[in-house]
Amino acid sequence: GDSVTQMEGPVTLSEEAFLTINCTYTATGYPSLFWYVQYPGEGLQLLLKATKADDKGSNKGFEATYRKETTSFHLEKGSVQVSDSAVYFCARGRGGGNKLTFGTGTQLKVEL
Amino acid sequence: NAGVTQTPKFQVLKTGQSMTLQCAQDMNHNSMYWYRQDPGMGLRLIYYSASEGTTDKGEVPNGYNVSRLNKREFSLRLESAAPSQTSVYFCASNGGTASTDTQYFGPGTRLTVL
Repeated sequence: GDSVTQMEGPVTLSEEAFLTINCTYTATGYPSLFWYVQYPGEGLQLLLKATKADDKGSNKGFEATYRKETTSFHLEKGSVQVSDSAVYFCARGRGGGNKLTFGTGTQLKVEL
Repeated sequence: NAGVTQTPKFQVLKTGQSMTLQCAQDMNHNSMYWYRQDPGMGLRLIYYSASEGTTDKGEVPNGYNVSRLNKREFSLRLESAAPSQTSVYFCASNGGTASTDTQYFGPGTRLTVL
């Protein structure tokens, strides 16, 4: 079935470090791919998305490229800030309709 | 616009008690969802409603019931709470019908069942 696998956290980085959070998905169909972010005590909000192969989603300095050949959608940011500390969820659309399958989430902690 | 609102924010129940979690959205969205979030398991879909008057089971529906009261409101009921239902519950809504569309989440309800 549809599934999403993310790297386990927590990921701890110093401010201005480079961030990569890995995400791979099962290759059933041609799903849309998403990154959602959850700040402490809040609900999830969309960070970026890509709807077809080779698309790049970007927002707030974060980027992710839809790689069909490696079934991946890794999240990257060149220089993280303390305010980026949150839990990041990778998700894929399911076949038919507008439901999503989420990964388990990766907690990011950015320290000064 | 308030977006997606949920009540209550926190709740403590004893095993066997019942309660209803409320969710409302003011974005005129057709689809609404209930998820639970547990450590190490991400978000799992409990029930969803593709449109007013319809509801369908998600991955983990056992022990829950839902009501799509109208286009704005989608409630989740626990008839006889169990400790395994201790979790954070999120409601979400979606204005489109395709898997490319964005889901909008409420702030969550933290439920503890003793």
